[in-house]
Amino acid sequence: GDSVTQMEGPVTLSEEAFLTINCTYTATGYPSLFWYVQYPGEGLQLLLKATKADDKGSNKGFEATYRKETTSFHLEKGSVQVSDSAVYFCALSRGDSSYKLIFGSGTRLLVRP
Amino acid sequence: GAGVSQTPSNKVTEKGKYVELRCDPISGHTALYWYRQSLGQGPEFLIYFQGTGAADDSGLPNDRFFAVRPEGSVSTLKIQRTERGDSAVYLCASSARTAYTGELFFGEGSRLTVL
Repeated sequence: GDSVTQMEGPVTLSEEAFLTINCTYTATGYPSLFWYVQYPGEGLQLLLKATKADDKGSNKGFEATYRKETTSFHLEKGSVQVSDSAVYFCALSRGDSSYKLIFGSGTRLLVRP
Repeated sequence: GAGVSQTPSNKVTEKGKYVELRCDPISGHTALYWYRQSLGQGPEFLIYFQGTGAADDSGLPNDRFFAVRPEGSVSTLKIQRTERGDSAVYLCASSARTAYTGELFFGEGSRLTVL
């Protein structure tokens, strides 16, 4: 069945460091891909998305490119801030049941000043 | 309170007891979803409502789990004869319509602990 695999955390970085969180997926057809973020004490919220191959999603300085050839959707940010500390979830959905998100297990990011 | 509201935020119960978890979606959102997040895992889909009806309940693990949304707004997830394996965070989400865009608005969750 469909699945999402993301790198285990925690990832600990210093402020202004470059961030990569790896995400790969297994799915039939052409899924849509998402990154959700959960800040401490808050619910999950959509960070960015891409709906077809080679699309780049971006928001708040974060970017991810839908790579069908490598079935990947890695999250990147050029310069992280302390306020980026959160848990990041990669997810996919398929067109026939787009409401049914399939999540990875999450990666905790800790940014130190 | 413009976001999705879930109560209780924490619930501790004993094995075999009955539990209800409530979700109040964003006003005007017709679609409502329940997910379950076990420790160290990502959320897993349980059930999806469009209006008052359950459009897809394929994620409910067994017949001890049931959910209702009688007036198309507030939803209640009901768990009978709770087991220790039911311990998890139960997440509710809503969207303005079926989320073709994939953007669901999540509440903070109800943490259920079964002793």
